[in-house]
Amino acid sequence: NAGVMQNPRHLVRRRGQEARLRCSPMKGHSHVYWYRQLPEEGLKFMVYLQKENIIDESGMPKERFSAEFPKEGPSILRIQQVVRGDSAAYFCASSPRASGSGTDTQYFGPGTRLTVL
Amino acid sequence: DQQVKQNSPSLSVQEGRISILNCDYTNSMFDYFLWYKKYPAEGPTFLISISSIKDKNEDGRFTVFLNKSAKHLSLHIVPSQPGDSAVYFCAASLNSGYSTLTFGKGTMLLVSP
Repeated sequence: NAGVMQNPRHLVRRRGQEARLRCSPMKGHSHVYWYRQLPEEGLKFMVYLQKENIIDESGMPKERFSAEFPKEGPSILRIQQVVRGDSAAYFCASSPRASGSGTDTQYFGPGTRLTVL
Repeated sequence: DQQVKQNSPSLSVQEGRISILNCDYTNSMFDYFLWYKKYPAEGPTFLISISSIKDKNEDGRFTVFLNKSAKHLSLHIVPSQPGDSAVYFCAASLNSGYSTLTFGKGTMLLVSP
């Protein structure tokens, strides 16, 4: 019963390159959430997706960031033209149904640590 | 504007004693609260939760108390064990069909033998 999988665990990019972070939710989970944790900070919500749909991207920076959760395959968080300020830990969480008012707990993956040189 | 606040960055407790971690929130629309535990280089692990219709929820050594009027919740761990040493995050969600989580900055708990 595998948990939420994220890869790579560590990613190093130079300024201007692209970063692709992958998240495979737990089996049976069709809801995916991406969070970012900057140093010395809590996790901050970025985007919430269901299969083939973006439900809420209110926490996503308007430029350079995009996310998808295709019908087949993992969810992808894509950061174009990375800058040093993008260096952070990016966590993915999943739930079997919409996670509101205690209906379903979100379970987190181990995170991807992005370092921008 | 931080809606979920954990004002103690760290807490040190001796093994066997009680650990009390505190969390305050400002948004009265939050109606579900969770505690997550996080070890270094790992993702947060769900620990315990409480709905706003309750004021206490207990699971083994872990108890969460909610004071809605004060917009305050606390996590009690008793007895504390060295393996409890981790960062503890308080999180809250809104009363809606779905809701993302709003996290505090975390409290690092160190339980010494």
